[in-house]
Amino acid sequence: AQSVTQPDIHITVSEGASLELRCNYSYGATPYLFWYVQSPGQGLQLLLKYFSGDTLVQGIKGFEAEFKRSQSSFNLRKPSVHWSDAAEYFCAVAPRGQAGTALIFGKGTTLSVSS
Amino acid sequence: DVKVTQSSRYLVKRTGEKVFLECVQDMDHENMFWYRQDPGLGLRLIYFSYDVKMKEKGDIPEGYSVSREKKERFSLILESASTNQTSMYLCASSPRFGTGGSGNIQYFGAGTRLSVL
Repeated sequence: AQSVTQPDIHITVSEGASLELRCNYSYGATPYLFWYVQSPGQGLQLLLKYFSGDTLVQGIKGFEAEFKRSQSSFNLRKPSVHWSDAAEYFCAVAPRGQAGTALIFGKGTTLSVSS
Repeated sequence: DVKVTQSSRYLVKRTGEKVFLECVQDMDHENMFWYRQDPGLGLRLIYFSYDVKMKEKGDIPEGYSVSREKKERFSLILESASTNQTSMYLCASSPRFGTGGSGNIQYFGAGTRLSVL
């Protein structure tokens, strides 16, 4: 069955430190890959996406993610975390070549930022 | 910018009430989705619609129905609300077509937090 795993339920990072959030997927073929962020009490906002090409993709708010086919992973990174990055982060996948289908989401990782 | 608007941010209802959650998008998207979000469970798909008057069940449709009479509006209906339907409900939309994956990008509303007492 298709699935998305975010192994870390909750991560705490000091402000200014680097961040890596993990995402692994189980899928028949390489899917389209997404990271979304949800600030407290808000809806989800797209951070970045991978469709094809360069496996390192840049997103908004200084985030980047790297697709590794051999590891079925799409980890999210940020070199220096700001207090405003505290939020919940969701990794999601969609089947390649099937526009408009529903996304499959991981269960999310909550990021706390300490001063 | 795509705007997905959910009519209520917070709702409090009584057990057994019929509840309507409304969602409107302004980007002429063909596809619309309703998700339920609970702590530790992530987002779970309730229903989606790929055209007016069309609907498909998602992973957890029991206790819910939907209505899509106009392209821009997608309503989630709780026929008889129960306490286990207390949750955050998120609406999303996406275009049906798009090159190279852009048709899979979903745009979300701010959510409706429903409490059933």
